[in-house]
Amino acid sequence: GAGVSQTPSNKVTEKGKYVELRCDPISGHTALYWYRQSLGQGPEFLIYFQGTGAADDSGLPNDRFFAVRPEGSVSTLKIQRTERGDSAVYLCASSWDPTRTQYFGPGTRLLVL
Amino acid sequence: AQKVTQAQTEISVVEKEDVTLDCVYETRDTTYYLFWYKQPPSGELVFLIRRNSFDEQNEISGRYSWNFQKSTSSFNFTITASQVVDSAVYFCALRGVRVQGGSEKLVFGKGTKLTVNP
Repeated sequence: GAGVSQTPSNKVTEKGKYVELRCDPISGHTALYWYRQSLGQGPEFLIYFQGTGAADDSGLPNDRFFAVRPEGSVSTLKIQRTERGDSAVYLCASSWDPTRTQYFGPGTRLLVL
Repeated sequence: AQKVTQAQTEISVVEKEDVTLDCVYETRDTTYYLFWYKQPPSGELVFLIRRNSFDEQNEISGRYSWNFQKSTSSFNFTITASQVVDSAVYFCALRGVRVQGGSEKLVFGKGTKLTVNP
């Protein structure tokens, strides 16, 4: 079946702009996760959804970052007033439920100029 | 706090050599899961294995094998007879169990970049 998909694959924006990154999880997966991966580092957790609600948003770096999952499927990660330090690959993962293995999408590479 | 350490930043081997990637973890949870993921140059993280803390049996899958030792908090990964296609960054990760207050998030190491030369 189809894996996790993420759009866009690449996003270039200017400092101060607003961006939205989209994640389409594997069909039927109720748990959805966002991670951020900086160059040469492992992925770092941002937020976790169980269904429509954010069950753990402890990894969001500040209030410029926000994510939604209104219908319990597709999720959007929103970044306001982007900064150069936000440049990274944003990874989305999904799983059948929180106890199961997380499967990752290809990521969105964000570059803030 | 949970932590995963992959001390080897980069490893370079010649094809057909065996190679072991080290992973050491820290957690206060008595129940937890350990994972290995592969990240080829294309960038997508590919799941390789999951192991729960109650199962210390070593596992073999083709050329891949994993050695879980709770006594030393290690979960090492060995590739036998390495091939050029094994070239990638390999990540070890840890997840606690929520019922004990752990988060469902994965905590990753910094990864080991493996280069297999022909």
